[in-house]
Formats: sequence, C-alpha cells, structure tokens
Amino acid sequence: DQQVKQNSPSLSVQEGRISILNCDYTNSMFDYFLWYKKYPAEGPTFLISISSIKDKNEDGRFTVFLNKSAKHLSLHIVPSQPGDSAVYFCAATRDDKIIFGKGTRLHILP
Amino acid sequence: EAQVTQNPRYLITVTGKKLTVTCSQNMNHEYMSWYRQDPGLGLRQIYYSMNVEVTDKGDVPEGYKVSRKEKRNFPLILESPSPNQTSLYFCASSSIRDTEAFFGQGTRLTVV
Repeated sequence: DQQVKQNSPSLSVQEGRISILNCDYTNSMFDYFLWYKKYPAEGPTFLISISSIKDKNEDGRFTVFLNKSAKHLSLHIVPSQPGDSAVYFCAATRDDKIIFGKGTRLHILP
Repeated sequence: EAQVTQNPRYLITVTGKKLTVTCSQNMNHEYMSWYRQDPGLGLRQIYYSMNVEVTDKGDVPEGYKVSRKEKRNFPLILESPSPNQTSLYFCASSSIRDTEAFFGQGTRLTVV
C-alpha cells in the first residue's frame, strides 16, 4: 500500500515558467511533509518542508502548498531554472518514520 | 563541513558473504536512518535510530541489521546478502527537532 504517491514520473517545463510537482498521501496522521531534490550520483538534499498544521510554506523560489482535505501537496518552483532539473521526492513523517514517494523527474527546457 | 559519509561508494560481492556499509555523521544528530533506492520504487526506509542503542525497523528491514553504539556511526550489516539486495543505499541523519535530513552520497551494492 503506497502511502505517499507521486503519480507523474516525469515533467518538462520551459525555463522561466512555473514548475508544479504534485504529491498525494493516504494517511491523515502524517506530521510533516518534505520535498527533497536529487541529482544523479548524489544523495537527496532537503528542499522545503511543511507542518501538517499549515497550508503554505515559502522559501525563495520554492513554495509548498498543503491541502489536507484533499490529502494533496504540491511544490511550486518559480521561475524554473536549468539547475532545477533533477528528481524530486515527496516525503511524509509519522511516528519517527519517513515515507518517500517514488519521485518525479523534472526537466527544465531551454 | 557538515556531512554524512558512507563507505564504500561501490561494492560488488557474492551471495552469502557478510558485508558492512559504514555511515558516519559529524553534526551530533540524534536521528539516523538507512534507505534503499530502487527503480520505480523510490526511497524506502530500512532501519532508523533515534539515539544510541535505540533502533527500529523501517518499511523494508528484512535481510538487514544495524547497530548504534556511538552517536556518530550507524553501520548497515548484511549478514547473508542476496541478489535482491542489489540496490543503491543511502544513509541520512537529522536532529530530532528538525525535519531536514542530510544524506550521504550513496553506496551502490551489487550482489552476484
């Protein structure tokens, strides 16, 4: 049973436009939601997080939105830059465990 | 420099030959964990540790052991590796109070 789902394996966005990465979850008991970015041959790096009691968190070009009623969160990147091309993992924490989605590969097109 | 160090980065071994992948962090973090990354499956948590001598199973613990004798080290032990444990492994650490985790560079393990 997949508790954290990233239904789009890949996404292509023009440079300068907005990138929107989506994530759905099934367990309403998650405490925090996080986004990680991963380049090839490197470990994931933390991007941004949001507490389950909030609905928005912003950090520079990155904004995460949480819709608890829909059990959905999204990561917005504005404007998209070439260095944003990577795999993005959505993750959720519950009872000291972290559960990751399968990832979405983002391609920023010139 | 804050970092999580895994060794080795690459390892090819034979079925049944015990191996250990080491993980060390220099940030005095309480929480450490191991993940495996497989195509189409994303990152799955194997084991985690809340502090010294406190470890617990993640989602895919079968075939793995861990120990946490010191705060900075969290080795992953495969007592009898099998080909289905061929994967990319990541160690991570974080402070209990923070959500951000720092990941190591990864260990690519091949079991033949």
